[in-house]
Formats: sequence, C-alpha cells, structure tokens
Amino acid sequence: GAVVSQHPSRVICKSGTSVKIECRSLDFQATTMFWYRQFPKQSLMLMATSNEGSKATYEQGVEKDKFLINHASLTLSTLTVTSAHPEDSSFYICSARDSEGAQETQYFGPGTRLLVL
Amino acid sequence: SQQGEEDPQALSIQEGENATMNCSYKTSINNLQWYRQNSGRGLVHLILIRSNEREKHSGRLRVTLDTSKKSSSLLITASRAADTASYFCATDDHSWGKLQFGAGTQVVVTP
Repeated sequence: GAVVSQHPSRVICKSGTSVKIECRSLDFQATTMFWYRQFPKQSLMLMATSNEGSKATYEQGVEKDKFLINHASLTLSTLTVTSAHPEDSSFYICSARDSEGAQETQYFGPGTRLLVL
Repeated sequence: SQQGEEDPQALSIQEGENATMNCSYKTSINNLQWYRQNSGRGLVHLILIRSNEREKHSGRLRVTLDTSKKSSSLLITASRAADTASYFCATDDHSWGKLQFGAGTQVVVTP
C-alpha cells in the first residue's frame, strides 16, 4: 500500500522557537495533502489543505501566519509552527491523496508529537 | 469542526466477543470511512462505504450506512487482543476530499 512518512517523529522545543514538520509521500504523487492536529484523547481536527504549487487552504480558526504550509513538490509538504508556545503541543498528522489512484482514499503519516516547553 | 459523533466513547470486551460502534453525522456525504489508531500512532484506513452503499464487509469487519438516519456502524466480529485501539469514523462531504472525523471509540479487548 501507499506509504506516507513524517519527520521528525517527535520534537521538543523551547517556547518561541519555530518547528518544521515534513510530510512525504514515498511511492506516489500527491497534489493534495492535509494537515491534522490531535490533542490527547481527542479526535483529529483538520487544520489545512495543502495544494502543490498554490497556497494552502486553512480551516476556520487556524492562523495561517502561525502554521505555515509549503507544498513545493508532488511528494513533500511541510508544516512550520512559528513561535511555538506550550498550547501548540500536540500530535500533528498529515495525509495525502494519490493523484493517480482512487482519490477517495487518504494515506496517513505516522504523526509527529510536538512538545513545547 | 467535527462532523460526527460516535458511541460508545469506550468499549471493553473479551476476546471472541463482537464489538459494535456507531457514528452519526450531520451533512450529506460522498462517502464514510472508518479508521483505526493505536495509541500514539498514525491512522490505518479500514474500510470505505459510499453514499449509495448500505453494507460492506472486509474480513472480520462489517460496516453499515443509513443515509436517511445519517448514521453508520462498524462491527468487529470475533475480536482479538490486537484489535485494541481507537476507532474513528470520518466523512467526506464533497469538499475536495476533506475528512471530518468523529470523536472516536476506544476499544479494549482483554484476553
């Protein structure tokens, strides 16, 4: 099956620093990727839709200047949490749709656990 | 925002028993999907059911969809300890593939 990777798998940073998370589709091309956030014992909340070659689309209540998304190639999307604060600590998960295959199915990455001290 | 609600929130059963969880949603959908998540891990796609389908099977999984009631159910038959995980439903409501997830059901299967 299709594989999506995320890097890093976990990161600890100081308050005020910026953190970049990468999401890669390893064996397929993805014109569209999605970024989710999941707080402990809660469900996934969609943050934004990342489109290759164009601006990301953010969900209501998600600050685009706080969560910068770059989808520079068909296999890579990055999420940068700028000036991270403790309340940004969460589990960030990306997913990707295969541009060639059945686009109903999304393939999820293993997630990145962010802890801001 | 979350589309769906799931019940129960938590389910504890013994190996060999069946586990049933339900998902309700609010808007019209293109399809509904069920995912599984082991603690602290990513999501694994289990099954997708389209809006014009009523029932679907995959191994020990059986999913039903009632669009008139805007609800779906996931049945896991002959459960195993390895089925212990959180299960989420997610709806694709024609919005360019964006998924809205339910709150999830935490299933614990004891040997």
